[in-house]
Amino acid sequence: ETGVTQTPRHLVMGMTNKKSLKCEQHLGHNAMYWYKQSAKKPLELMFVYNFKEQTENNSVPSRFSPECPNSSHLFLHLHTLQPEDSALYLCASSQVFSGGGGETQYFGPGTRLLVL
Amino acid sequence: GQNIDQPTEMTATEGAIVQINCTYQTSGFNGLFWYQQHAGEAPTFLSYNVLDGLEEKGRFSSFLSRSKGYSYLLLKELQMKDSASYLCAAMDSNYQLIWGAGTKLIIKP
Repeated sequence: ETGVTQTPRHLVMGMTNKKSLKCEQHLGHNAMYWYKQSAKKPLELMFVYNFKEQTENNSVPSRFSPECPNSSHLFLHLHTLQPEDSALYLCASSQVFSGGGGETQYFGPGTRLLVL
Repeated sequence: GQNIDQPTEMTATEGAIVQINCTYQTSGFNGLFWYQQHAGEAPTFLSYNVLDGLEEKGRFSSFLSRSKGYSYLLLKELQMKDSASYLCAAMDSNYQLIWGAGTKLIIKP
């Protein structure tokens, strides 16, 4: 595997379900990100982990819970979601503080989530 | 506040040239990125500018003017496969990306 992978690619869940999204990066980067992408809106940064430590939580509801066990893996645990949470969830990684464009973020293919 | 402005949609003809503009306002600045995103797929990195001027990469070029808070992406010899959304993002002083909503580019034969 190369780059950034995400599973599952598609997910349908009810509002009472609990599910997890998984992301893995094979680029040797030290930062990982979760984004939410809704139609015709800018990418919304949800969480940032630098060196496995969470550094950003952009007012994300507690029904989204991130976990970063090591610098290559990132999870997003979902519970009691709402229909408005339906979106494309993207994971990205980068090498932070490297300068000269090294902070370029590389994205996984995303998980298309539908909450019924 | 921080924000990025880019046109919502543009249409161009196969074989032609198109320029997608982006203006930004950020707290500090650590570079301007362009990404391409095909429908239903992940954004893929196209270019990075941190100094004023034009960076050329094959059919794609990106320009930056820091004093004007302005960038553009120039696509030459358009092909049907260039139909996609193009995302502009500026990196602020905290190395966070501020994203535009994207420009949907429609290529007509």
